[in-house]
Amino acid sequence: DTEVTQTPKHLVMGMTNKKSLKCEQHMGHRAMYWYKQKAKKPPELMFVYSYEKLSINESVPSRFSPECPNSSLLNLHLHALQPEDSALYLCASSQRTENTEAFFGQGTRLTVV
Amino acid sequence: AQSVAQPEDQVNVAEGNPLTVKCTYSVSGNPYLFWYVQYPNRGLQFLLKYITGDNLVKGSYGFEAEFNKSQTSFHLKKPSALVSDSALYFCAVRPQESNYQLIWGAGTKLIIKP
Repeated sequence: DTEVTQTPKHLVMGMTNKKSLKCEQHMGHRAMYWYKQKAKKPPELMFVYSYEKLSINESVPSRFSPECPNSSLLNLHLHALQPEDSALYLCASSQRTENTEAFFGQGTRLTVV
Repeated sequence: AQSVAQPEDQVNVAEGNPLTVKCTYSVSGNPYLFWYVQYPNRGLQFLLKYITGDNLVKGSYGFEAEFNKSQTSFHLKKPSALVSDSALYFCAVRPQESNYQLIWGAGTKLIIKP
């Protein structure tokens, strides 16, 4: 299994809603990532988890809250988002953080209304 | 500042012709180099990487990339383009001293015409 699975594929939420994005991998990878991507732009790193611990937070607003319940799962909790947060949210994993390629999920297309 | 440049926003190639997507970088030391492809409304797919060794790296779907240290370039190539290769291609560079940081190019849209 070489897949990173993200759910849901699409999400529309109001600015007062609370929702969660989910990511799962069964490749035994110990590093997992959240990226945000605007249309036709490169992805922007948000968070890095290494061995289930948050190791990097790229100054992401607190309305985004990551969680890593176990080595296979990564969640991104969303609350009080703004319309400018609308984007494709990508989850990725790699064997370790250093020098190995990352495998990306298909992403969740988020629209904030 | 460290950076990655993909000088062409778009590359148009006729099906069956060779293709090249260019990438140059300005990163200190000996970075690790990657190419990813993104099809419309999809996530990124890893194509190939250069860490060390042979300057010509072979990857998925018949793609290869040539590392040139003196020119700090890592151009993506394919001998014969397919219409299905049409997608957005990103070059990414990881500085050797970083455990997680990827510096991304802006992306190049590749259009293969039948």
